Amino acid sequence: AQSVTQPDIHITVSEGASLELRCNYSYGATPYLFWYVQSPGQGLQLLLKYFSGDTLVQGIKGFEAEFKRSQSSFNLRKPSVHWSDAAEYFCAVGTRRFSGGYNKLIFGAGTRLAVHP
Amino acid sequence: AAGVIQSPRHLIKEKRETATLKCYPIPRHDTVYWYQQGPGQDPQFLISFYEKMQSDKGSIPDRFSAQQFSDYHSELNMSSLELGDSALYFCASSSQQAGANVLTFGAGSRLTVL
Repeated sequence: AQSVTQPDIHITVSEGASLELRCNYSYGATPYLFWYVQSPGQGLQLLLKYFSGDTLVQGIKGFEAEFKRSQSSFNLRKPSVHWSDAAEYFCAVGTRRFSGGYNKLIFGAGTRLAVHP
Repeated sequence: AAGVIQSPRHLIKEKRETATLKCYPIPRHDTVYWYQQGPGQDPQFLISFYEKMQSDKGSIPDRFSAQQFSDYHSELNMSSLELGDSALYFCASSSQQAGANVLTFGAGSRLTVL
């Protein structure tokens, strides 16, 4: 069965510091991988995605993520965190049926990021 | 650009009442998904529809039902509401024709059951 693990429930960093949020997945085939961000009481916004090709993907707001098949990981990074980055971050794996017709996302438990001045 | 529209944004109901949430996908998107996010929880997949047919089913209670209409909008019907149904309900849409499962989420409908 597909699953996503985000080992860190809470992370606190100083503004301007670098950030890495960890994500490990379990999936039988080449996964589709996503990072979403959610501000309090808000919807889920797509930060970036990996389908194939270059294993280092760039996203919005200065985020990037690297797919490492050997480690089943898709960690999210940002070189310099801004106070507005404080939010909850969800890693997700996308599933696809080859018989066609649908897909869905399975989310990790999320990592809550706090940024202090 | 048009986004996924959900209504109502907030809904307060009492136990044992019924509630209906509506979702209007992005134009030309053919697939709709419903997710439930409890307080401090990750979004849990409930159900999805592709071209108006149910395509997958997750952890949706038997008290809930959903459908997708001819105009592709979808409704989630919840009956015999329980306190534990209080959550943020997200709808998302995607286009199978685009060949990639990039889901765009709506802002969510917050249901509070008293």
